[in-house]
Amino acid sequence: EPEVTQTPSHQVTQMGQEVILRCVPISNHLYFYWYRQILGQKVEFLVSFYNNEISEKSEIFDDQFSVERPDGSNFTLKIRSTKLEDSAMYFCASISAGDSYNEQFFGPGTRLTVL
Amino acid sequence: AQTVTQSQPEMSVQEAETVTLSCTYDTSESNYYLFWYKQPPSRQMILVIRQEAYKQQNATENRFSVNFQKAAKSFSLKISDSQLGDTAMYFCAFMEYGNKLVFGAGTILRVKS
Repeated sequence: EPEVTQTPSHQVTQMGQEVILRCVPISNHLYFYWYRQILGQKVEFLVSFYNNEISEKSEIFDDQFSVERPDGSNFTLKIRSTKLEDSAMYFCASISAGDSYNEQFFGPGTRLTVL
Repeated sequence: AQTVTQSQPEMSVQEAETVTLSCTYDTSESNYYLFWYKQPPSRQMILVIRQEAYKQQNATENRFSVNFQKAAKSFSLKISDSQLGDTAMYFCAFMEYGNKLVFGAGTILRVKS
């Protein structure tokens, strides 16, 4: 069964460093999402991406964040200068345009720890 | 903006018993989707069950069923014959067509032997 994959599973970085979180969505999916979950809190939407551009972003997704789909298979989230409060679990999700149930398939997540 | 409220931070249930998790939401839309996701300690997000708002029939997936009350904007999850493997955080989520998911704060469910 196809699945969304994410790498790395755990990233530790120093405050102020840049990180890139990688996702490989399911191959025939067209809509992509990033969500964030701070430990013990709810899952929050960051950004959605369709047709090579951002379709919606939350207020969390400020100028420090960017997304791109560099090669038609990967979908990346870059945090330019990490802050302590960026420590969280980051989930990538994707959806097929033809899915009448609108189910978002989630990756296993990347745990980001900012020291 | 849509909001999702889960009023039970924690619930416990004995193995083999039935438990119901509550969820209410707020929207002005008439067509949308509702989901329950399970998050075990591994933190993977696993879809449990989904409901389309235009369908009056409540969704059922094996031991999991929902009570969808559109007028009341209520979407509760019933787990029958609870198993130890059901222990997890459960999130209720709302989605407009083709849009982002909006999650509730979650309910920690503990199944006791």
